[in-house]
Amino acid sequence: NAGVTQTPKFRVLKTGQSMTLLCAQDMNHEYMYWYRQDPGMGLRLIHYSVGEGTTAKGEVPDGYNVSRLKKQNFLLGLESAAPSQTSVYFCASSSPAQGADTQYFGPGTRLTVL
Amino acid sequence: AQRVTQPEKLLSVFKGAPVELKCNYSYSGSPELFWYVQYSRQRLQLLLRHISRESIKGFTADLNKGETSFHLKKPFAQEEDSAMYYCALSDETPYTGANSKLTFGKGITLSVRP
Repeated sequence: NAGVTQTPKFRVLKTGQSMTLLCAQDMNHEYMYWYRQDPGMGLRLIHYSVGEGTTAKGEVPDGYNVSRLKKQNFLLGLESAAPSQTSVYFCASSSPAQGADTQYFGPGTRLTVL
Repeated sequence: AQRVTQPEKLLSVFKGAPVELKCNYSYSGSPELFWYVQYSRQRLQLLLRHISRESIKGFTADLNKGETSFHLKKPFAQEEDSAMYYCALSDETPYTGANSKLTFGKGITLSVRP
């Protein structure tokens, strides 16, 4: 039982490049979330999903897109990376059956945009 | 809109000293509050939730609706308590399984010196 995993762990992009971050969970959780963590800003919700095929915007969605084609996976895409997107990205999942506000986090992806 | 405020960025104490990490919130409904912790090189994880009224690793937190606060306290700090602590508020009605998003504060770094 790996819990929540994130791929890749580190990435360096040039401005304008695109990439996709993958989050996978093996706990059969319905809800999944993408956050970014920046110094002095805490964790801010980018997008979230309450089920397969559904997504919704969080606090800071601009410049990101997401997809939840399978229940266990939640993808975060950057279409045209900008230096302001340099951050540590965390994925999380939860289940309403267990108390949806108990979120299980992945190890994070450190992204640098030059 | 709901808001979580952690007024301090850093708290440094000596081992054995009392610790109080402050958290204030604004929310129009009935709040559900949590403390999450991130130890060095580890994932963010739930420390405690107010509705459980439990003590975890010697930490307690009492919800004070009059002062809209949820401060985290420990009478005698240990070096292993050094970590980043986040206060979070959920918009879920407890136990109904309704859609749940967490709003995090900006976090506070606790440093416990030997």
